[in-house]
Amino acid sequence: DARVTQTPRHKVTEMGQEVTMRCQPILGHNTVFWYRQTMMQGLELLAYFRNRAPLDDSGMPKDRFSAEMPDATLATLKIQPSEPRDSAVYFCASGLAYTNTEAFFGQGTRLTVV
Amino acid sequence: KQEVTQIPAALSVPEGENLVLNCSFTDSAIYNLQWFRQDPGKGLTSLLLIQSSQREQTSGRLNASLDKSSGRSTLYIAASQPGDSATYLCAVTTGGGNKLTFGTGTQLKVEL
Repeated sequence: DARVTQTPRHKVTEMGQEVTMRCQPILGHNTVFWYRQTMMQGLELLAYFRNRAPLDDSGMPKDRFSAEMPDATLATLKIQPSEPRDSAVYFCASGLAYTNTEAFFGQGTRLTVV
Repeated sequence: KQEVTQIPAALSVPEGENLVLNCSFTDSAIYNLQWFRQDPGKGLTSLLLIQSSQREQTSGRLNASLDKSSGRSTLYIAASQPGDSATYLCAVTTGGGNKLTFGTGTQLKVEL
């Protein structure tokens, strides 16, 4: 049963701490996305990778957020230092570029910064 | 910049009713359109994907249509059930890279 796996599912941290969220895309998928969901803004694209190369991170606050794909089976999203306004659900999704097939989403990481 | 709008924002219907959810997008040069379902506190589950060359897709009681030239899609749910209660999101891909732009969603409640 192929699925996108995100860890941790929940994270509570104090303001100023570093937060790392991890995503294992579906094996064989060549595109990975990070989205953030809040009540006010809905789903926003933060970063987008194709074949592990970052293609678009214009939605990400560069001063505190960073996204990487150390290898094809792992994508990470880091926030340093975290702030209360970063509290949201962060979703990872993966897909196959140029195949007109669905994007599949993980269950999300619910982040609370206090 | 692509913008996706969904109306209504919320909808409450009695069980058994047929209903239509609407999605509109500003840039008609889409690659495909996807409808998702999201249950409270959960991730997104893909329901239907319509390619830009298609007019509709069906899965069980769900039927999604696409009018690319007018920038609209509808999701038709037949014989609604309480288990259909969820938030429904539409998203479009502009370009072939699967990058999705989401609407704000329609929160559906189907009452007994």
